[in-house]
Amino acid sequence: EAGVTQFPSHSVIEKGQTVTLRCDPISGHDNLYWYRRVMGKEIKFLLHFVKESKQDESGMPNNRFLAERTGGTYSTLKVQPAELEDSGVYFCASSQDLGISWNEQFFGPGTRLTVL
Amino acid sequence: AQSVTQPDIHITVSEGASLELRCNYSYGATPYLFWYVQSPGQGLQLLLKYFSGDTLVQGIKGFEAEFKRSQSSFNLRKPSVHWSDAAEYFCAVGAILTGGGNKLTFGTGTQLKVEL
Repeated sequence: EAGVTQFPSHSVIEKGQTVTLRCDPISGHDNLYWYRRVMGKEIKFLLHFVKESKQDESGMPNNRFLAERTGGTYSTLKVQPAELEDSGVYFCASSQDLGISWNEQFFGPGTRLTVL
Repeated sequence: AQSVTQPDIHITVSEGASLELRCNYSYGATPYLFWYVQSPGQGLQLLLKYFSGDTLVQGIKGFEAEFKRSQSSFNLRKPSVHWSDAAEYFCAVGAILTGGGNKLTFGTGTQLKVEL
């Protein structure tokens, strides 16, 4: 079974440009999460999808970030326009919905974004 | 709001030596606690978790952790470290989101170096 995949693995862009990150969750996982780690800091929650619906986007830093999950499968996270402080590693995770309180989150390898 | 503190940014141990990585958390209720490991180029991998019950939990790769409520700690231990354990380790506390799903709050991570 394939794990969570993310594309690209690295992206280097200039300030003001647009970047789109993609996450493919494990097949059948309804829950999809985005997290971000700015260098030297903790990994922070950005948002949570259940299928195609955003359930919690309390961690999104500002309106330059747009996440979508069309059809409830893969998800994209667009940053437009990118700023220097957006540099970091963006992780995606997915989990099943087993009707229990905690469903293990499986993480992708992350996308390292560098904004110059 | 929950928070996690990992006071050690870097730790170096000799192969075969014992290891203890410290983690302190802040959470209002009985916490869900986790340790994850990230090796270069890999996603975050779950080492072990604590939900309730026995306060000493066993995980993969020979790791264990002990939940101490009085100290708000969940330290990770391994009796004998192998060179392949060199990686970054993250402690996390979990919360259940009101709309369903779960959210992880991470510490800043501890980078482990193993000397041969």
